[in-house]
Amino acid sequence: DQQVKQNSPSLSVQEGRISILNCDYTNSMFDYFLWYKKYPAEGPTFLISISSIKDKNEDGRFTVFLNKSAKHLSLHIVPSQPGDSAVYFCAASRNDYKLSFGAGTTVTVRA
Amino acid sequence: DARVTQTPRHKVTEMGQEVTMRCQPILGHNTVFWYRQTMMQGLELLAYFRNRAPLDDSGMPKDRFSAEMPDATLATLKIQPSEPRDSAVYFCASAKSGGTGELFFGEGSRLTVL
Repeated sequence: DQQVKQNSPSLSVQEGRISILNCDYTNSMFDYFLWYKKYPAEGPTFLISISSIKDKNEDGRFTVFLNKSAKHLSLHIVPSQPGDSAVYFCAASRNDYKLSFGAGTTVTVRA
Repeated sequence: DARVTQTPRHKVTEMGQEVTMRCQPILGHNTVFWYRQTMMQGLELLAYFRNRAPLDDSGMPKDRFSAEMPDATLATLKIQPSEPRDSAVYFCASAKSGGTGELFFGEGSRLTVL
């Protein structure tokens, strides 16, 4: 039972443009959402998070938006850089550290 | 440089053999997770511990998988007997209660069962 879904397995974007990654969840009890970034042969690393009491959180080039009514969140990367090429995982929890992850979206930034 | 350490990084074994993966969480972290990465499911939670006590292992096939924390610096995941469908990358992660909710992942153990 996949409670967190990333429906786009891959995304290709030109360097300098915006990357938009989407994530949907089904469990209305989730109250904390995170994005992780993963390079090949490495473990996932934390990128950015948002609490359910907010609808936007920004950190440099990365912004996460949360739409609770739609059970949807998105990650915007502006501007996209070659080093952003990686797999991005969306994750959600009920404040108990037990994260449910999506299947991931592979981002490729073209020069 | 605090990090989660996993061994082995790579393991190739034959079907039916026992496999043990080890994890050293970040010092001071009291919550430890085992995840498995597959192409279809992404990162699946297998089990997790808080203060060495198992809190949830519902994601783990009970007949062949077992997870333990013999002490605060070591978590183990054992598969016996292993099967080809167990081939995956297994990640250990740790977190600190009362922290930001962020999990810190190890580099993973890539298991191939022939």
